[in-house]
Amino acid sequence: EAEVAQSPRYKITEKSQAVAFWCDPISGHATLYWYRQILGQGPELLVQFQDESVVDDSQLPKDRFSAERLKGVDSTLKIQPAELGDSAMYLCASSSDRGLGSYEQYFGPGTRLTVT
Amino acid sequence: AQTVTQSQPEMSVQEAETVTLSCTYDTSESNYYLFWYKQPPSRQMILVIRQEAYKQQNATENRFSVNFQKAAKSFSLKISDSQLGDTAMYFCAFILYNNNDMRFGAGTRLTVKP
Repeated sequence: EAEVAQSPRYKITEKSQAVAFWCDPISGHATLYWYRQILGQGPELLVQFQDESVVDDSQLPKDRFSAERLKGVDSTLKIQPAELGDSAMYLCASSSDRGLGSYEQYFGPGTRLTVT
Repeated sequence: AQTVTQSQPEMSVQEAETVTLSCTYDTSESNYYLFWYKQPPSRQMILVIRQEAYKQQNATENRFSVNFQKAAKSFSLKISDSQLGDTAMYFCAFILYNNNDMRFGAGTRLTVKP
C-alpha cells in the first residue's frame, strides 16, 4: 500500500541552527500539506501545495520557515534559525483532491523536532 | 473562524465495550466535511470516518459510527466492540467545502483496557 514518506523521523538541533525536513507524497497526489503538531494539540496547517504552487501559507512563519515543492512531487520544509518554540512534530500529508477538501488526507509518520 | 472542540482529553474503555468520543465545532457555513482521524502511538494518522454536512444519514464504517447533529454542531464518534488496537489519539477535524484549511481539535487519548 502506498504511503507518505518523511525523513528524518527524529531530529535534535541547537537553537539558531538550520534544519530541513523532507516529504515524498503518495504517487499521483497533487495536493501536499505540511502541518505542525505541538505535544498535546491537534495538527495546524503550515502550508499547502497544489502541484508545485503554494495555495496557502498564511500560517507559515515566513521570517524563519520556507517550503518548496519544485517539481510538484516531493517537498522540503526548512527552518532557519530554529528556536526553542519550534520543538514539535512536523507532519506531511497528501491527497488526490484539488482543494475541495472532500478527500482523505494521507499522513506520513512525521518528523519529531527537538530544539535545545 | 472555524473551531473544533474535543472536551475529553482522555478516556478509557474495557475491551469489547462501547465508547463515545465527543466533538463540537463552530461555523456559520453550511457546506463542510467532518472527519475523525486516529493516531496510534508512534504511527501515522489515519482516517477513521468522514461525514458530509449535506448528508443527514450518519456515516458508519464497521465498528465505527458517528452521531452528526448539524443544528447542534456536534459530531461524536462511537466505537463498538472496542479492541486493544483502538488505543490511540483521536482527532476530530473540520474543513469547509472548497477550502484548504483543515481544523483539528486537541484530541482525545483513548485507552482500551484488556
